Amino acid sequence: AQSVTQLDSQVPVFEEAPVELRCNYSSSVSVYLFWYVQYPNQGLQLLLKYLSGSTLVKGINGFEAEFNKSQTSFHLRKPSVHISDTAEYFCAVRRGNKLVFGAGTILRVKS
Amino acid sequence: EPEVTQTPSHQVTQMGQEVILRCVPISNHLYFYWYRQILGQKVEFLVSFYNNEISEKSEIFDDQFSVERPDGSNFTLKIRSTKLEDSAMYFCASSQQFGSGNTIYFGEGSWLTVV
Repeated sequence: AQSVTQLDSQVPVFEEAPVELRCNYSSSVSVYLFWYVQYPNQGLQLLLKYLSGSTLVKGINGFEAEFNKSQTSFHLRKPSVHISDTAEYFCAVRRGNKLVFGAGTILRVKS
Repeated sequence: EPEVTQTPSHQVTQMGQEVILRCVPISNHLYFYWYRQILGQKVEFLVSFYNNEISEKSEIFDDQFSVERPDGSNFTLKIRSTKLEDSAMYFCASSQQFGSGNTIYFGEGSWLTVV
């Protein structure tokens, strides 16, 4: 069965510093991977997705993620974060027609 | 940009009462979903709906739950007799087609508190 592990429940980082949010998946078949963001008091918004092709995927708000099949990872990165990036970030894998989510990582950006 | 809208944003209900959460999916989408997130836990799939019938449901989606598309625009989740453990954020979502590359769009959620 496909599952997702987000290794960090919270990541504190200073403004303008780089950040990486880790995600590992388990799957025995082709994977389709997603990162969603949930800003305070808002719904889930798609940041980016990997379906096939280039392993480096660029998303909105300057985020990118790299699909690494050998390490079964899909880590999310941003070279320089802003206060407004404070949110909870969810990694998800597509299983059939539904998404299986990780537990989420709260990114706290401090000034 | 088209979006999924949900009402109410927050509802408090007494244990044992019936609750209906409403959603308006994106207009040209054909697949509809409900997910929920209990405070501090993962976002969990509840049910998917296509062509006026449930296409898949999780073990969470027991007889207390039902979904309906009463007209051409709304998609509802009904909880017949709420329990304390039903307190959660409920997300409605929709997608245009079936398939791996299809993006699932989420609403802002309805926060249900059962007291």
